[in-house]
Order: sequence, then structure tokens, then C-alpha cells
Amino acid sequence: SYVLTQPSSVSVAPGQTARITCGGDIIGSKSVHWYQQKPGQAPVLVVYDDTDRPSGIPERFSGSNSGNTATLTISWVEAGDEADYYCHVWDNRSRHYVFGTGTKVTVL
Amino acid sequence: QVMLVESGGAVVQPGGSVRLSCAASGFAFGRYGMHWVRQAPGKGLEWVAVMSSDGRHIYYGDSLKGRFTISRDNSQNALFLQMHSLRPEDTAVYYCARDYHANSGLSASGFGIWGQGTLVAVSP
Repeated sequence: SYVLTQPSSVSVAPGQTARITCGGDIIGSKSVHWYQQKPGQAPVLVVYDDTDRPSGIPERFSGSNSGNTATLTISWVEAGDEADYYCHVWDNRSRHYVFGTGTKVTVL
Repeated sequence: QVMLVESGGAVVQPGGSVRLSCAASGFAFGRYGMHWVRQAPGKGLEWVAVMSSDGRHIYYGDSLKGRFTISRDNSQNALFLQMHSLRPEDTAVYYCARDYHANSGLSASGFGIWGQGTLVAVSP
């Protein structure tokens, strides 16, 4: 089955940039989506189709996808960005939806 | 207001059964693929099942091994998950989620709307 690998944790100071990677075999050929999940809450879609943002999501959240790595970038990080982040794809070969292992972002 | 509300979570013994429901409101339910996603305590997200908007496409995660059944009633704006032969490892918060884009078949879309989740605990 298709596997998505994320770093377990990323630490960043306020005002700096956080980059969260999502590795998968030729992931650049797939549409990647990203979710933010705060403790005790449901996930929230922050980036879809590699680079697009749903309405209401700040421009500070951006995505890219190429080769074997997709990246979620959070610019000008704020304390409120502290959360778990998950990448997500549809694997047409297995007809499965797959989530990444998740990354905990800590704002120092 | 676009909303999904799950219900039916319970504490059950191993081998038991539970039926989860998800009530949708604020959007054209019959135009969207719908999913169940679960999250074990302290763990990551695991996709469970999908049913396309027209009900023709249904797929399940590998770990379920035929024990779960997804269904929907577009006339009632409702999604269901029937779970049988429950195991302790099925203990999780179960979320229903809606495709971001409306689509008649399966979609590579992200999940744009999530419910608040309902807890299923499998314990002797």
C-alpha cells in the first residue's frame, strides 16, 4: 500500500517559517491535501490540490509538490499555528485514501 | 451552515457491534462523496471507508477485513457505518468527512468538511 512519511515534529520560533515535508513514491503525480488538527478538535483542511487554500485559511499557509516530496509551508508562524499537521492523498492504484504519519508543530 | 454531526458512539465489548450515523446539513448532500476516518487515542488519522455520491463506488481501508459497512441515505442526508466483530484496536474517535469538491464518482479531493467525531471504545 502507498505510504506517506512525515517528520514527527518540527519546532519554529514565532515569526519564522515552518516547513513540513510529506514523502511518498512519485507523490508529485498526485494531488496532496494538508490538514491542521488542534488538541480535542476535528481536522481542518488548510491546503488542497497541492497549492490551493480553502476560504478563510490565511495566505501564510502554502503548499508545493514535486518529485517524491510535498511540502506545507507556514510563513510568519504564530502561537495559534501550534498543532498536528497531516498530509493526504488518493492512491488510485489501491483505491485507498492515505494519510501521512503526522507532524507536531511546536511554536517556541 | 454546513455541518456534519456524528452519533452512535458507545462502549462495547470485543466482538460487539455498533452503528454510527452522520447527519448532514447546509449543503446538497447527494452531490458529495462521503468518508469515515478514525483516530485512535494519541495516534494519527486513519481512513476507514468511502461511498461516492451516487453510492456506486465503495472502498474500505485494509485493516477492516470486511467487518465494516458504509451506507448512505441521500433522501435523509445521512451517512452510516455499521461495525461488527469489534476489537480493542478499533477503539477510536470516528469522524465523518465530506469531499471538498462535488463529484459523481470517486474523487481525489481533499476532505473539506468534518464532523466533531464520536468515540467508540472496545473494552471487556
